Amino acid sequence: SYVVTQPMSVSVAPGKTARIPCGGDNIGSKSVNWYQQKPGQAPVAVISYDSDRPSGIPERFSGSNSGNTATLTIGRVEAGDEADYYCQVWDSSRDHSIFGGGTQLTVL
Amino acid sequence: QVQLQESGPGLVKPSQTLSLTCTVSGDSISSDNYYWSWIRQPAGKGLEWIGRIYATGGTSYNPSLKSRASISVDTSKNQFSLRLNSVTAADTAVYFCARAEDINPPLFDYWGQGTMVTVSS
Repeated sequence: SYVVTQPMSVSVAPGKTARIPCGGDNIGSKSVNWYQQKPGQAPVAVISYDSDRPSGIPERFSGSNSGNTATLTIGRVEAGDEADYYCQVWDSSRDHSIFGGGTQLTVL
Repeated sequence: QVQLQESGPGLVKPSQTLSLTCTVSGDSISSDNYYWSWIRQPAGKGLEWIGRIYATGGTSYNPSLKSRASISVDTSKNQFSLRLNSVTAADTAVYFCARAEDINPPLFDYWGQGTMVTVSS
């Protein structure tokens, strides 16, 4: 079964850039979605198809995907960006969605 | 505005069957280009996709659940449901229902608020 891995935590100072990686074997050949989840809330999609922003998502959120790593980048980080972030791919060989383990973003 | 609402017992005994229903409003469950999923999240842990169903009834499931999960749809009520049998404490989690845009990878664009299910005697 395909596996995607994320670091448990990433810390960043306000106003700086946060980069959250999602690793997987040749993940660059797949498309990746990213979700933001705040405590007690359902996840919200922030990036689709590697780098597309759903309606209402600030331009500060961007994504890239190449080789064995997909990356969610959050520019000019704000306190309100503090949340858990999950990457998601589709495993077509087994017909199911896979989420990464999630990364807790801490704004220092 | 699309809304999803989970409902069902919050407490299930070990070895019994967990049953949840998701009621969809603001959209027809028969809409083209979408399907409907269940996703769960144990306390303090990550998201786990359980399975999906199309309005036509086609399904697929997470292999890790070893055939314990079953998802059904009732288009007349605009609802879909989850049954998970032979539950154990490891099935204790918040259960979300979600709409997925049928692309690769599927985009979960609308979610329910989640319902907590505890497996305990």
